[in-house]
Parts: sequence; structure tokens; C-alpha cells
Amino acid sequence: DTAVSQTPKYLVTQMGNDKSIKCEQNLGHDTMYWYKQDSKKFLKIMFSYNNKELIINETVPNRFSPKSPDKAHLNLHINSLELGDSAVYFCASSLSPQGRSYNEQFFGPGTRLTVL
Amino acid sequence: QKEVEQNSGPLSVPEGAIASLNCTYSDRGSQSFFWYRQYSGKSPELIMFIYSNGDKEDGRFTAQLNKASQYVSLLIRDSQPSDSATYLCAVKEQAGTALIFGKGTTLSVSS
Repeated sequence: DTAVSQTPKYLVTQMGNDKSIKCEQNLGHDTMYWYKQDSKKFLKIMFSYNNKELIINETVPNRFSPKSPDKAHLNLHINSLELGDSAVYFCASSLSPQGRSYNEQFFGPGTRLTVL
Repeated sequence: QKEVEQNSGPLSVPEGAIASLNCTYSDRGSQSFFWYRQYSGKSPELIMFIYSNGDKEDGRFTAQLNKASQYVSLLIRDSQPSDSATYLCAVKEQAGTALIFGKGTTLSVSS
């Protein structure tokens, strides 16, 4: 009965490869997020979708492309991987943002990406 | 550039003491304030949120907010070794915007 799940948990790949990370939530939430946590533990928003619509798109290289096939899934595809992409990527979800700025965000377990 | 500042620590306290974690933020438009706890190798989990000036208590945890000073803090009473973790302060401008996180404060509680 995992609330927010991500696959894979670990991903080791070579520079230049293309990879995808998948996220699913069974909480019935409308909004999903991708965060990147670097080696210094700094957690930064990348994207957010609300009901399959992109609502937040921070300054992220266009090698990163999110896709939301439905409101329970948000995937992250990364093209031409670089060394600096090595990090832990967290997916999160929350209820619709409308009206309540303090809706709790629930985080997935994270995907540790290592680019060699 | 909206920023959230935290002392990275480590903050070391003995078991049973009060741990005080502090956070300042740059955006006066921020409306909601969150404290997340993150154990090593795990995902962040929400401990407290606060959106009104003053104190909010939940068990051993008290969040304090002072919007005029752009300051939010977390007090942990009767600290336990299991409280040893990184504590992330996060702020949110309004509904529909993302959380902006600080870099976290590492807390170590010794038995």
C-alpha cells in the first residue's frame, strides 16, 4: 500500500545515455512534482503537474522532459546524461494546490542516479 | 531569487535537551512554512506546517513563525537519539507554487 512509489531505486549509467524514472501515487492526489537533491542534500523543485497539466517548470536543461499520462503517474525522461545529473530524484504528490497553500507533499523513496 | 537559509550544523544536543532549529526566508510573500525531517538515505517526511504568526505545538515539536522578521523555527523538546536527522525548512509563496527548501540542518542527539 505504498503511497508514492518510484522505479528504479538505483540507476547507474554511462554519460550520453537516455534514461527514464517512473513515479506513481495511489493517494488520489491531483498534483505531482519532481525534485532533485544534490550531493550537498539541497532539494530543488524541477517540475510540477496538476491534473496532467504542467504548472511549474523551473530552469532545468531541456534534456529533462516530464510526462504525465494520467494524474496518478509522472515520469521523468533524461536525454544525453551528464556527470552533473548524478543526484537523488524525488517524486512527490499533494492535493490540488487551489485554495490551500499548506497542502502536504508526500515524497517517494527517491531514485539515486549515478552517471559514470 | 527566493532563498531559504538554514545553519547546516551539525547541531549536537544531549538526550533530553531542547533542540532549536532556525530558518530565515527572503520572500515576504511566503504564506506557508514547513519543517521536514530526512533520515540518511530516506525521503523527506513532514513534521509540522505553520501559516500564522506565533507558535504551533504538536507533541514534542513546536513551530514558531514571525513573518515580520521572516523567521521560522522548530523546537524539539526532550530530544531523543531517534531525532537525529537532517531537518529541512521549506516555504511556499501561495497555492500552486512549489516548496522552496533550505539546505537543511543536521541534528545529532547523543545518548
